[in-house]
This record gives sequence, C-alpha cells and structure tokens, in this order.
Amino acid sequence: KNQVEQSPQSLIILEGKNCTLQCNYTVSPFSNLRWYKQDTGRGPVSLTIMTFSENTKSNGRYTATLDADTKQSSLHITASQLSDSASYICVVSAMGTGGFKTIFGAGTRLFVKA
Amino acid sequence: GAVVSQHPSRVICKSGTSVKIECRSLDFQATTMFWYRQFPKQSLMLMATSNEGSKATYEQGVEKDKFLINHASLTLSTLTVTSAHPEDSSFYICSARDPPRDIKNIQYFGAGTRLSVL
Repeated sequence: KNQVEQSPQSLIILEGKNCTLQCNYTVSPFSNLRWYKQDTGRGPVSLTIMTFSENTKSNGRYTATLDADTKQSSLHITASQLSDSASYICVVSAMGTGGFKTIFGAGTRLFVKA
Repeated sequence: GAVVSQHPSRVICKSGTSVKIECRSLDFQATTMFWYRQFPKQSLMLMATSNEGSKATYEQGVEKDKFLINHASLTLSTLTVTSAHPEDSSFYICSARDPPRDIKNIQYFGAGTRLSVL
C-alpha cells in the first residue's frame, strides 16, 4: 500500500534554531518527492522537488535530502524565523501504468517562537 | 513559477444554497486540475481530477452530484457545491499541472477557499 508518514506531528522551536522534519514513504514505483509549506488558511507552496537520482536539494534556508534506498526524506530548516511557522507536507508521486498517483503525508506543524 | 488563482478566498452561505469556486491557471494552460478538501489539522484529501473537455474523475466516496466539476477551458475549472449543508464546511483547494513540466507531475496550488455553511 502506498503510504507517506511524517514525523513529528508537531514541533515547537525557538527562533534562530535549526530543525529537521522527517518523511518515510512506501510508494512504488517512485517518481519524485516534494516538500510543500502551507501557511494556515493558504494553499501549499512548493519548496523542493527531488527525483530518484537526486539526494539533496536546497531552497534558501530549506534543505531537503532523499535516500531512495531507505525511502526516507528529511527537510532541514536553518536559522528558523517566525514566518517559518506553518505545516510542512511531504508529497510522493508514483508513476504506474495508469499514470501518476500522488500521495500526501499528514504534515508536520511547526511553531517558531520568539 | 506558475500561478494558480482561486476565487473566492472565503464564502459564507446558508444551508441549501449552491456555491461555485473558480480555479484559474494564470500563465499556463492546465489540461488537468485537481480539487482537494482539507479539514482542520489534516492533510489534503483529493476529491476529483478535472480534465479539460471531459468528465471529472471522482475519488471513492465523493458524491459527483454534490460536487459538480466543470473544466470548460484550459485555464479554468470550477467546483460547485450544490445544496450545501453545514458538514460541507471546509477548506477547498485546487491545483493545476503545467503540461510542459508534466514529466515531474508538478502541481501548483491555489490559495484555497474557506467555505462556511450556516
């Protein structure tokens, strides 16, 4: 069964600190993995996208890693800011005979405190 | 990046009325658009896939007569919640796929519509 599991469910950190969010998946055949940031009451915004051959991708203070062997990904946020408070969603696409299948993780809610 | 506009951002309506939500791709043609529903503190749930010029494909458990989807052009898809009830209150989000970049199945999301049915 195709699944995407994220941890932790929620996280509270102090402004300026770093944090790492985890995503484990059992999706096959794997096509790509994306991290999205979703502010409360807004639509998701893409942070990074990685295919099978890519194991790291950066976007400013956000760095995503992918281990396709262990089917794990992480999103590292450096020097957190108050505006980083949001839900971070891991999304994995599988490419089968019927086309793409997109599986969403439940998200990690990050709270950055001053 | 590609821009998807969703309108309205918030709507409050009386029970029994119908509400239409629009999803537009502003700078690209989207042959495929997706409609999601999101409950508080939960992730997005795919409701249906909308293909331009053909009938939408609904996910299991989603009533097609309740949630009418029309994708009449390459830049516009609409979701109409018919005879809305309080349990339809939710956050509805659309996304669109940009065909030239389709190889990676990149979806661009609208800002969402908060529907409150009184």
